[in-house]
Amino acid sequence: GESVGLHLPTLSVQEGDNSIINCAYSNSASDYFIWYKQESGKGPQFIIDIRSNMDKRQGQRVTVLLNKTVKHLSLQIAATQPGDSAVYFCAECRNRDDKIIFGKGTRLHILP
Amino acid sequence: DTEVTQTPKHLVMGMTNKKSLKCEQHMGHRAMYWYKQKAKKPPELMFVYSYEKLSINESVPSRFSPECPNSSLLNLHLHALQPEDSALYLCASSQAPGQGIEQYFGPGTRLTVT
Repeated sequence: GESVGLHLPTLSVQEGDNSIINCAYSNSASDYFIWYKQESGKGPQFIIDIRSNMDKRQGQRVTVLLNKTVKHLSLQIAATQPGDSAVYFCAECRNRDDKIIFGKGTRLHILP
Repeated sequence: DTEVTQTPKHLVMGMTNKKSLKCEQHMGHRAMYWYKQKAKKPPELMFVYSYEKLSINESVPSRFSPECPNSSLLNLHLHALQPEDSALYLCASSQAPGQGIEQYFGPGTRLTVT
């Protein structure tokens, strides 16, 4: 079965609020965890990654948290905007090799 | 130029047809990828090319035949496909083999097999 998955298929958030998208993984041997964003009609777009020896990493308006104890990954988006509307995939990568395994995806809806 | 382009955007083909999907990048990336994405599903890796050589084949049926003519181009040749092969085919590239975490994806070719 899949080693990376997501808790919720759809998440609705009020514009301006913070969004939290969650992901569970099963392979503790993965070295990197990654978030990709896929807007309608487009290919996935890299957002941020985190190495397995870290528990938090911040980017522009985004923060990724990694809890290795419970094998949980989350993406926090601050002050959600209409342009954040997309499907968000978590993914894992082992040993920096070329194979990324994508999780199931969460669709983020932004409410006006 | 940070763009990966794919042609055609849409393709309808019969099960006896032969067609090709094309992908191009001019970022100097030396790793290129083909993914298949069914509706409401995540992308699934098909092939990886590293320095123009096939490095990963995820047990893809032989009716899909990849080709990397040079470091900027990636093709996917299609022959005798089945209706279940209908999907969005995504091409991606990354700077180098071993740096596949940040991949740049094209918009995809939406393939319908009739």
